[in-house]
Amino acid sequence: DIQMTQSPSSLSASVGDRVAITCRASQSISTYLNWYQQKPGKAPNLLIYVASSLQSGVPSRFSGSGSGREFTLTISSLQPEDSATYYCQQSYSIPYTFGQGTKLEVK
Amino acid sequence: QITLKESGPTLVKPTQTLTLTCTFSGFSLTSSGVGVGWIRQPPGKALEWLALIYGDDDRRYSPSLKSRLTITKDTSKNQVVLIMTNMDPMDTATYYCTRRRAQGAFDIWGQGTMVTVSS
Repeated sequence: DIQMTQSPSSLSASVGDRVAITCRASQSISTYLNWYQQKPGKAPNLLIYVASSLQSGVPSRFSGSGSGREFTLTISSLQPEDSATYYCQQSYSIPYTFGQGTKLEVK
Repeated sequence: QITLKESGPTLVKPTQTLTLTCTFSGFSLTSSGVGVGWIRQPPGKALEWLALIYGDDDRRYSPSLKSRLTITKDTSKNQVVLIMTNMDPMDTATYYCTRRRAQGAFDIWGQGTMVTVSS
């Protein structure tokens, strides 16, 4: 199985800040990397697919980059509604695997 | 509008078999690269992919759970069923049904159904 490791596990930032979350794969996954946002009690919501493509309806302050083993989700100007847990997921090979999550608090 | 909705028991006893049904609308399972999958999330923990089925009946399973899982589809009813045998308290989780798009992202999710395994 491909292991996905996110960092940091949690972070706190202020409205308007720029934040980055990193996801590292245990082997190369090309650009088969997806990012999700999950709010408490809700299903995850797809933000970014194939590393850098913005899902329809997702605000443009969210962006993704990377290839191979290292990937980054960037939120350019934090908004209060961005408080959530963020997960990366590789779709390079079965079994699909997720990172452990990054909990973001917006102060 | 694309929707998926999970249904099934909220409580099962250890060693019992869990049957969950996903009823979907707004898309066809026959589209290229499109599948329906199941993902679960134990309380306070990360997401875990379980199984996936495509329109051509190709089925994929998590290797760690493969011996306990069966995924099937009823195209006429727009339903996908997940069967998990020999349930254990460690299987307590919210189970999500989700659409897998081409390139492997899960773009539409059901609301999830919480399943508790307890005697």
